[in-house]
Amino acid sequence: SQQGEEDPQALSIQEGENATMNCSYKTSINNLQWYRQNSGRGLVHLILIRSNEREKHSGRLRVTLDTSKKSSSLLITASRAADTASYFCATENAGNNRKLIWGLGTSLAVNP
Amino acid sequence: GAGVSQTPSNKVTEKGKYVELRCDPISGHTALYWYRQSLGQGPEFLIYFQGTGAADDSGLPNDRFFAVRPEGSVSTLKIQRTERGDSAVYLCASSPRLAGANEQFFGPGTRLTVL
Repeated sequence: SQQGEEDPQALSIQEGENATMNCSYKTSINNLQWYRQNSGRGLVHLILIRSNEREKHSGRLRVTLDTSKKSSSLLITASRAADTASYFCATENAGNNRKLIWGLGTSLAVNP
Repeated sequence: GAGVSQTPSNKVTEKGKYVELRCDPISGHTALYWYRQSLGQGPEFLIYFQGTGAADDSGLPNDRFFAVRPEGSVSTLKIQRTERGDSAVYLCASSPRLAGANEQFFGPGTRLTVL
C-alpha cells in the first residue's frame, strides 16, 4: 500500500531554477527518506530526516519535516539537467519495523 | 565496492510458469528487502529479512509468492503459477543493522514480463 503522496506529480523547470517537491503521509514515523530514480542509476538514497528533526541539508538539497502536518518538502537549488529524474519520499513507520512505505513520486524535468 | 546485484536483469515468461529472482546484497548487510514497482508507481513493499528470517512478509500479495534467505546473504524471490498481473520490476535492497537510521541500497531490479 502507498502511504506518501507527492505533489506535484510532474514538474518542469529551467536549469538554474529551484525545484520544490512535497510529500504527505498518514501515520507516525521514525524517519522519512527521499530517493531519486532514473533509468541510468536506479533508485538512489538522497537524504534521511528523523522524526525529531525539522530540517536537514545535503549539498544542494534541503529537506524539511513537519510532523504536526505529516508533511515533508524537498528543495533542490540551482538545478541541473542531470537532476532530471523521479523523486520519491518513503517513510519508516513508528516502531521496530524497518520496511519503507513509498509515495507515487514526482517526475522532475530540468531543461537545459 | 560492489553494490546490490540482481539476476536476471530481464525475465520473460509465460502465464502459469514458475520463476526465481535472485538478489545479492551488499556484503555484511543484515537486512534485505524486496519491493516491486509498476510503471508510474512507487515501489511496493513485499517482504524483508533480518538475517535468515522474514521479519515482515505482509506485503506478499498471495501464496504464489515466497522468498528465502537461507544463509543470511543471498535471497531468492519465487513466484509460482505466474499471472500477467505479476509483470513489474522487482527491486531488492539491503541495509546494515543500525539503530535508528535505515538507508536502503537498491539493486538495478529484475524486469519480469508475464505473457
